[in-house]
Amino acid sequence: EAGVVQSPRYKIIEKKQPVAFWCNPISGHNTLYWYRQNLGQGPELLIRYENEEAVDDSQLPKDRFSAERLKGVDSTLKIQPAELGDSAVYLCASSQPYRGHEKLFFGSGTQLSVL
Amino acid sequence: QQQVKQSPQSLIVQKGGIPIINCAYENTAFDYFPWYQQFPGKGPALLIAIRPDVSEKKEGRFTISFNKSAKQFSLHIMDSQPGDSATYFCAARGTSYGKLTFGQGTILTVHP
Repeated sequence: EAGVVQSPRYKIIEKKQPVAFWCNPISGHNTLYWYRQNLGQGPELLIRYENEEAVDDSQLPKDRFSAERLKGVDSTLKIQPAELGDSAVYLCASSQPYRGHEKLFFGSGTQLSVL
Repeated sequence: QQQVKQSPQSLIVQKGGIPIINCAYENTAFDYFPWYQQFPGKGPALLIAIRPDVSEKKEGRFTISFNKSAKQFSLHIMDSQPGDSATYFCAARGTSYGKLTFGQGTILTVHP
């Protein structure tokens, strides 16, 4: 079974440039998440989708970040314009609830460096 | 109140030792407590999880101990191996599915 696929693996951009990340979740997983992981920290949720609907985007900096999940499958996360503080690993995860538990499957992430 | 505090930041043990990683939380609405393991260059992977209605859960060499009254839980790794060297994150979930609050992580090194 293929896991969560993210691309690109690495991205280096200059500040004020736009950047986009792509995620393909595990087939059949209706829930998709974008997390940001700063160096030496745990992941922090940016946005959660149930199918096409963003059900929790309270932590997404909406002035510069946007996300979409067309047709309830793939998702893209965009930053425009990027700032130095956006340097981090952006993780995508997907899940399917089972008996009250929830196992999140994470991709390997996109490491963003803003210069 | 949404924080999960994890300690220690780093831990070094010899092969066969029993590293213990601790987490504490404040929000009594948390109802699901997973531990994730992360290797360099990879995303976190679920290791083991517990709900607050039990005090201990064991899966293979990994055990979670849960103290509801103290609002603390810990991960024990029995007979640790060099392959267990990784960063470990505790987490807690509130009433909203999927909104995991992660601890700061513990870098575990197991020497041969």
